[in-house]
Amino acid sequence: DAGITQSPRHKVTETGTPVTLRCHQTENHRYMYWYRQDPGHGLRLIHYSYGVKDTDKGEVSDGYSVSRSKTEDFLLTLESATSSQTSVYFCAISEVKRETQYFGPGTRLLVL
Amino acid sequence: SQQGEEDPQALSIQEGENATMNCSYKTSINNLQWYRQNSGRGLVHLILIRSNEREKHSGRLRVTLDTSKKSSSLLITASRAADTASYFCATVDFDGQNFVFGPGTRLSVLP
Repeated sequence: DAGITQSPRHKVTETGTPVTLRCHQTENHRYMYWYRQDPGHGLRLIHYSYGVKDTDKGEVSDGYSVSRSKTEDFLLTLESATSSQTSVYFCAISEVKRETQYFGPGTRLLVL
Repeated sequence: SQQGEEDPQALSIQEGENATMNCSYKTSINNLQWYRQNSGRGLVHLILIRSNEREKHSGRLRVTLDTSKKSSSLLITASRAADTASYFCATVDFDGQNFVFGPGTRLSVLP
């Protein structure tokens, strides 16, 4: 987890409200990723970034948006939270595309 | 569609025994990576094996890759209670656009 923090670590919210999760890195890595982890599915990629203001969609991007205005910060926004978005969200970083990813501690999100 | 699939889903062994987990995938890959996740924590990278490599070692870990069978195995030798965790394989395609994790193998090492 060194060099990567996620905030908040836990959040409970209501259906229909917007939610923003933050990932902050001190490693100056170019690539940043957001995943969600659900039982039986492993990790699924939501969005990733390959530089400031450069982002692209992953496997499960519907209902999520991201922004990266600084190298160190990657924000994930749930535009209107739904119960199906209850999950554990992980941020990851990598220095080189296709290579080792380093993961943050995760954010547990409960949407009621 | 899910690329990597680990097998077995769960494995329980005694301390000191070896643990073997397998990963199968469907399409061509640039590399395959293994990660460990302790309960309630983020994933930790264990080892990366490239498509032109057949075997790699790191401490008590041994990873093999058979691209003709589209499969990989992770062997943990002389297991310890601290090895109790979930283990995931992740496959990476040549574009690097797809970094796909399998559902994981849950390993329990009993003291």
